[in-house]
Amino acid sequence: DSGVTQTPKHLITATGQRVTLRCSPRSGDLSVYWYQQSLDQGLQFLIQYYNGEERAKGNILERFSAQQFPDLHSELNLSSLELGDSALYFCASSPRTHRGEAFFGQGTRLTVV
Amino acid sequence: DQQVKQNSPSLSVQEGRISILNCDYTNSMFDYFLWYKKYPAEGPTFLISISSIKDKNEDGRFTVFLNKSAKHLSLHIVPSQPGDSAVYFCAASGTGNQFYFGTGTSLTVIP
Repeated sequence: DSGVTQTPKHLITATGQRVTLRCSPRSGDLSVYWYQQSLDQGLQFLIQYYNGEERAKGNILERFSAQQFPDLHSELNLSSLELGDSALYFCASSPRTHRGEAFFGQGTRLTVV
Repeated sequence: DQQVKQNSPSLSVQEGRISILNCDYTNSMFDYFLWYKKYPAEGPTFLISISSIKDKNEDGRFTVFLNKSAKHLSLHIVPSQPGDSAVYFCAASGTGNQFYFGTGTSLTVIP
């Protein structure tokens, strides 16, 4: 158990809808990362928050947004969903902004139908 | 643009032999490298890391080698065990705050 909790584990929704994925980082970790893993793809970095502030942004679509709350949990919002958004979404946390490993949650499998 | 590449999608090795997983990167600003292991239906778990000031880091059966001039790193697992069967991702980071991951290599250790 990495200590990172993601909910829900599975999500099935229709095209055009909006969903929210939730991540609770390890106790004390200030940095939260979101990744997307599509079929046969590597882990694509989406966005990072550190202590409530956006720290780095990767290949995140404009339809997607994220935030980190004062209690350090984070939410990834995906809107106007398309079939191609179907993927595994991972959250990871680490104590610092970088250097050192990040600890991953089990992921949320999103299926858009 | 894939800055971290794992060109072998899969690898099969006999139990007890050495497994060598390779990773190439393009960004010379990367200075910290990690290997993660992923089982099905689980998130990636950290395995081993190496800083660019070193060329080798060893942890038990796992050794990571870094060749900065070739922008290449490799993970050696000796001896390989059936429980090592998983997908292995390499990752790299630089002065920014992103970890760039490769596409993974699926290792199968045959008993």
